[in-house]
Amino acid sequence: KAGVTQTPRYLIKTRGQQVTLSCSPISGHRSVSWYQQTPGQGLQFLFEYFSETQRNKGNFPGRFSGRQFSNSRSEMNVSTLELGDSALYLCASSSGTSGSGSDTQYFGPGTRLTVL
Amino acid sequence: GDSVTQMEGPVTLSEEAFLTINCTYTATGYPSLFWYVQYPGEGLQLLLKATKADDKGSNKGFEATYRKETTSFHLEKGSVQVSDSAVYFCALRGLTFGSGTRLQVQP
Repeated sequence: KAGVTQTPRYLIKTRGQQVTLSCSPISGHRSVSWYQQTPGQGLQFLFEYFSETQRNKGNFPGRFSGRQFSNSRSEMNVSTLELGDSALYLCASSSGTSGSGSDTQYFGPGTRLTVL
Repeated sequence: GDSVTQMEGPVTLSEEAFLTINCTYTATGYPSLFWYVQYPGEGLQLLLKATKADDKGSNKGFEATYRKETTSFHLEKGSVQVSDSAVYFCALRGLTFGSGTRLQVQP
C-alpha cells in the first residue's frame, strides 16, 4: 500500500503571499489531519478532516484553512504568509472510524515551507 | 483541555544503556495514548500505543504502560542501539503531541 504523500516537499515564499499544500492519504483512509512542526513549538495540531468535513480544529488563526475532497485528498492553505509560518507541515491519515482518537495515524514526509 | 508533557531532551546514552523517556498527560476520560518516532528527514511513525488503562504497548524492544493513577505513559527500552537515535513524541488521542525528546545513542 502506498504511504501518505505530500506535495511539494519544499517551498519558498515571501511575506504576504499565500500557499497551498497538498496531501494524498493512504488508500481507504477517510481522515486527514494537518500539523505544524517548528523547533520552538514542537508539533501543533491544525485541523482534521473526515469525509470532507472538518471534525476537529486546533488553535490557529483563520489564515490557516483546509479542505478535503471526495477522494479523501486534502489541501491546506495559508494566506498572507508571515515569517513565523516557516515550518515543516505534516499531514497524517487514518481510517478515522473509531471517532475516539484511538486510530493510528500515518504521517507523510512533510512540506518544508520557508517564508522570506 | 488535553495536554502532554514530555521530558526535555536531548537524552544522550551509550549503546546498550537503559532508556526511560517520561510522559504525563492531562485529559478527561480515558484517552488513547501513543508514542511516535521521527527519524532524521522523515515523518513520524507509530512506535506503540495503548487504548485503555493498564494496557502495555510494545514494539521493537520499546514498552510503555498506560498508568491512569499517575496519568503517565513512560517509554522504556532495556538496551538502546545507535539506530534508535531519533526524536520521540508522546501523543494523546492522536491529536495532542508532546514537544518531543531527542535521543542520541553513542557507540
